[in-house]
Amino acid sequence: DAGITQSPRHKVTETGTPVTLRCHQTENHRYMYWYRQDPGHGLRLIHYSYGVKDTDKGEVSDGYSVSRSKTEDFLLTLESATSSQTSVYFCAISEGGRGHTGELFFGEGSRLTVL
Amino acid sequence: SQQGEEDPQALSIQEGENATMNCSYKTSINNLQWYRQNSGRGLVHLILIRSNEREKHSGRLRVTLDTSKKSSSLLITASRAADTASYFCATDTGGGNKLTFGTGTQLKVEL
Repeated sequence: DAGITQSPRHKVTETGTPVTLRCHQTENHRYMYWYRQDPGHGLRLIHYSYGVKDTDKGEVSDGYSVSRSKTEDFLLTLESATSSQTSVYFCAISEGGRGHTGELFFGEGSRLTVL
Repeated sequence: SQQGEEDPQALSIQEGENATMNCSYKTSINNLQWYRQNSGRGLVHLILIRSNEREKHSGRLRVTLDTSKKSSSLLITASRAADTASYFCATDTGGGNKLTFGTGTQLKVEL
């Protein structure tokens, strides 16, 4: 299994509170991703990173920010959590390919409930 | 809107039967990938097929790609109860090193 650790694995919080999810990898892969998974929507990309301090938005980035200060860590922050952000969040990593996206390796997910 | 849409949304078969799942997408791609997700777990990569390939095999898996129809299919032969999972297609559309996932097919293989 790829060395990807997500923390926390489960969190319950209240509307309006800040939340930070952490993804840690031991594979030294260049690319890191945050997806959310909701019934009926599959996985949707929130943000991704293509290197230290290099990040870009995905299709559902509103209300989320990310930071990558080290190769191994990619943080997802909800500045002020809302009930619509209740979801399962997955981190993924990839070496990248030559002109194409290679295989993604996923973490086990972080289940967030916003009350 | 989703780039990839799987069909059917749910599929129930008997052990030993073949399972076929389809994926349709909207824009041109560099490659298409299939992933599997067991309940409560992360996704696991199964197979990647490039836009210039038409068919690819890996063990009991067979993937086809028809770029003219913007569609792909995943065939699992001689299915087993352990194949019970959700299966997702994901497309690389070339806009950066990232994948867009479909909504998935839930496969149940019964003994």
